[in-house]
Amino acid sequence: DIQMTQSPSSLSASVGDRVTITCRASQGISNFLAWYQQKPGKVPKLLIYAASSLQSGVPSRFSGSGSGTDFTLTISSLQPEDVATYYCQKYNTFPWAFGQGTKVEIK
Amino acid sequence: EVQLLESGGGLVQPGGSLRLPCAASGFTFNSHALSWVRQAPGKGLEWVSAIPPGGDKSWYADSVKGRFTISRDNSKNTLYLQMNSLRAEDTALYYCARSPQGLSWYFDLWGRGTLVTVSS
Repeated sequence: DIQMTQSPSSLSASVGDRVTITCRASQGISNFLAWYQQKPGKVPKLLIYAASSLQSGVPSRFSGSGSGTDFTLTISSLQPEDVATYYCQKYNTFPWAFGQGTKVEIK
Repeated sequence: EVQLLESGGGLVQPGGSLRLPCAASGFTFNSHALSWVRQAPGKGLEWVSAIPPGGDKSWYADSVKGRFTISRDNSKNTLYLQMNSLRAEDTALYYCARSPQGLSWYFDLWGRGTLVTVSS
């Protein structure tokens, strides 16, 4: 099975900072990658699908890139409401799999 | 309103069974694949099981294969997860999640979840 590894596992950044989270697949998955945001005590929310397509209603400061095995989620200017855990998910083939999550905090 | 609403969670003893329904509303139920995703307390997301729009196939994570059964009733707009031989490690918040039309297996709509606790 393909494993998804995120880095870092947590980060602390200042408001306005550019934040980058990495997700690596153990085998190539083309662009079949999604990113989710889960705020504390809340339901996961889809941010990005097909590696770089922004879900409707998601702020444009979020962007995704990558293909094959290496992917990134970027927050161009971190806001207080972005405090959350972020997960990547591969969906090219069964079994679908999530990364272990990256917790983002405000410094 | 477009939503998924899980129910049926609770406290069950190891070895016991539970059935989780997920009622859908506000969208064309039989046009979407559906999945169950769980989250153990303080842990990350784990995909559990999936079923296509017609309900003619199903897929399971190795951790639940042979114990859990996913099904759907398109006439009632409801997804189900039958959980048998429950173990302590099945304790989690169980989410029902929808995939967009076209069988892209990411999740664009999530329910609020129902908590399953397996303990004696």
